[in-house]
Amino acid sequence: QLQLQESGPGLVKPSETLSLTCTVSGGSISSSSYYWGWIRQPPGKGLEWIGSIYYSGSTYYNPSLKSRVTISVDTSKNQFSLKLSSVTAADTAVYYCARQNFGLLLWSGNNWFDPWGQGTLVTVSS
Amino acid sequence: NFMLTQPHSVSESPGKTVTISCTGSSGSIASNYVQWYQQRPGSAPTTVIYEDNQRPSGVPDRFSGSIDSSSNSASLTISGLKTEDEADYYCQSYDGSNQNVVFGGGTKLTVL
Repeated sequence: QLQLQESGPGLVKPSETLSLTCTVSGGSISSSSYYWGWIRQPPGKGLEWIGSIYYSGSTYYNPSLKSRVTISVDTSKNQFSLKLSSVTAADTAVYYCARQNFGLLLWSGNNWFDPWGQGTLVTVSS
Repeated sequence: NFMLTQPHSVSESPGKTVTISCTGSSGSIASNYVQWYQQRPGSAPTTVIYEDNQRPSGVPDRFSGSIDSSSNSASLTISGLKTEDEADYYCQSYDGSNQNVVFGGGTKLTVL
């Protein structure tokens, strides 16, 4: 059974870079059928897609966050990572990693996230 | 930019049927598939519907999804409501114009 687990600092100072890692177990991150995504949820608010990566390193980002986001993959460790720069209090959220499934075509309008990690709360505060 | 709009909250009694809507802001919602996620308090979201109307294994057939092109909306219907269905529900789709994955704002379902 595929499982994902987020890890990283729970507290980041304003203007610094938030860094999180997602470790995948029970399956290979190098599967040709999936992307791997990051989604966040501010306290009491809705879900926001941050970006996704393929095992080859191909990435897609939310246009509203693109200038501050970098997602990378380490297939040898079965992990992918998120970096979000110049953070502010507005970046305080629970950050989830998830496998992104596709229908017939990769990166198409037929995609959904399953399974998800348990999430990790990152607070931006001095 | 393409957006998905959901009602903030809905409520219904146990045993009844409830429908949650998800309306697309522009274009045709039928152009890309719609997914639905259930999120119980303190937990990560789980998929209840994918590809408009498909249920993952383990999701009861009380959950169903549909698309209505005339209203440019998707719907999640839950029949035979149980107290355990009380949760937040999110729809999700895709904006092909900028390759963006889009979530609706979420609907809080209360079963009382």
